[in-house]
Parts: sequence; C-alpha cells; structure tokens
Amino acid sequence: GQNIDQPTEMTATEGAIVQINCTYQTSGFNGLFWYQQHAGEAPTFLSYNVLDGLEEKGRFSSFLSRSKGYSYLLLKELQMKDSASYLCAVTPAGTALIFGKGTTLSVSS
Amino acid sequence: NAGVTQTPKFQVLKTGQSMTLQCAQDMNHEYMSWYRQDPGMGLRLIHYSVGAGITDQGEVPNGYNVSRSTTEDFPLRLLSAAPSQTSVYFCASIKSGTYLNNSPLHFGNGTRLTVT
Repeated sequence: GQNIDQPTEMTATEGAIVQINCTYQTSGFNGLFWYQQHAGEAPTFLSYNVLDGLEEKGRFSSFLSRSKGYSYLLLKELQMKDSASYLCAVTPAGTALIFGKGTTLSVSS
Repeated sequence: NAGVTQTPKFQVLKTGQSMTLQCAQDMNHEYMSWYRQDPGMGLRLIHYSVGAGITDQGEVPNGYNVSRSTTEDFPLRLLSAAPSQTSVYFCASIKSGTYLNNSPLHFGNGTRLTVT
C-alpha cells in the first residue's frame, strides 16, 4: 500500500520561516513533489526531488532523504499570500502521483 | 495550447443518475489521471492511463469507469451517482518520462459535483 503523512495544519507569522514535513511509505519511488493549492483552485507545482538533498527555488526549498522516506518543504520570508494548502506527492512508478492529505498553512500579520 | 480542459465546471446530480466528466488535453501527453478531492482527504487517485487503450485503477476506483480511446481525451463516467461521490474532481496529464526532468503534472481547473 501507499502511505504519505504530513501535518494537517500549521500557523506562522509574516516574515517567519516554516518547515512542512512529509513522510512516505510507497511500493516504489520515482520522485517526490510539492504542490501549493489555494482554496477553490487547482494545485500548482512547487518542487520535485528524486535525489537526496536540498533543492532551492527562491523563497522555497525542498529536501529529500530516500533512506528515511522523508521530505520537507521550507518556506522563508513568509507572506500573507503563502496561506494555502501544501500537498506532498510521490510517484511510485513514474506514472501517476499519490498525494498526502495536505497541510493547511495560515500566515498571520 | 489550452492545456487540460475539464467540463463541466459545476454539476448537480440526483442519486442514481449517470454522467460523464470530460477531460481533454492538447499537449500530446501520454499519462492522464483523475483525482477527487474532499475536505481533509487531499487528492485521491481514481483511475489513470499511460496511453491510448490502457487504463488502470488508482486508490478509489469503485463507482467510476474510464476509457482512453484517444491520446487527447480521458472521460470519467459515473454510472449511478451516489451522495458519497459529491466532490471536486481534477484531471491531470504529463508527458511520459518527464517526471525525471522536473516537469510538473498539468491540472485542469476541476469539476465541482454535488449528488443529492
């Protein structure tokens, strides 16, 4: 079976740094994705990790440890517009994605 | 390119009715998939396809049928709608092999279905 876990909710203040963790147990592994989803909208792509280590894209970074089945998304210099759901997803076979339940991040001023 | 187009955007059905959610992409993507999203449940994979004529079940396939007669289209059929199928449905596509090239899954804008 496939299992992807992430916290349900997180809160933070503007300008802060927040780390959203994701652990996974899947039948295979061909990469881990992070998506952002604002209420009422489709998910939008943030990052992709297939090798161990840190990938940085501006204010967002994503880390992967395949041996531990663990990833995190790091958001720096938080802004109000970062209030959204963050979805961790794994592609076990390189065909379809399996998603976690998502983490709702609330950023306050 | 229009990307991934889903129709309709909104639909209300009565229990027992049937309908087809349409999904079309014009990017020549081999891989297509259907997800449903419910509050607190994230995106759950219903069915997926790796090419024309090939489909497979995802995590929650019961109550849904799919077919893939062309590369462009991947319709999702509800044969006898139930209130438990009230959800937001997303179709997505990607070109085969491009996961390794850091290429994102392309999503449609979703279909909001209510079954009463």
